Amino acid sequence: DAKTTQPPSMDCAEGRAANLPCNHSTISGNEYVYWYRQIHSQGPQYIIHGLKNNETNEMASLIITEDRKSSTLILPHATLRDTAVYYCIVRVAGAGGTSYGKLTFGQGTILTVHP
Amino acid sequence: ETGVTQTPRHLVMGMTNKKSLKCEQHLGHNAMYWYKQSAKKPLELMFVYSLEERVENNSVPSRFSPECPNSSHLFLHLHTLQPEDSALYLCASSQGLAGGGLYEQYFGPGTRLTVT
Repeated sequence: DAKTTQPPSMDCAEGRAANLPCNHSTISGNEYVYWYRQIHSQGPQYIIHGLKNNETNEMASLIITEDRKSSTLILPHATLRDTAVYYCIVRVAGAGGTSYGKLTFGQGTILTVHP
Repeated sequence: ETGVTQTPRHLVMGMTNKKSLKCEQHLGHNAMYWYKQSAKKPLELMFVYSLEERVENNSVPSRFSPECPNSSHLFLHLHTLQPEDSALYLCASSQGLAGGGLYEQYFGPGTRLTVT
């Protein structure tokens, strides 16, 4: 899987948008961009994923650049409960052999939302 | 609540003990996973099961022994562990193994293991 690069930490004021960047310059055509988050002492939680187009769900929006080398996760109105480690993961689309869609977690970005 | 439960939530064991971690998923999924998360380290995939068959053993020492009796249950049997095995052990499940746009993984809350 392609490696990803994320800033180690970010701050955001409550109620403002949180924009979390991720670089994945070696991404392949059959690899998706996934975002998970992990609130302290809990298991990771799926947020959103995308291939080429921008995506939006009830939790967040995902903006992927046209060349697919980077993406941004947007939490439109951050709350204190959004404080967590956010992981950007590039994941293959295959289902056979070793390409079964393994999730490889990095260090992620620690997002702190403050009042 | 993610539909994946783990018991116990906390476990303290000596190096000569034998214990088991249990994971149960209520989502009708066919794939289950064990991950290890040590302090200040990324999550590490340990084992993957699909339809009760192990499809990945990620170079895990034999003192960790997984068991998947059916698609809803996953166990991790522990024996003669070392203090460096102290970590958060996370279970996850997914509808299938395919990646891409399918089959995101749902994680349980984890078992915090301390080996003394």
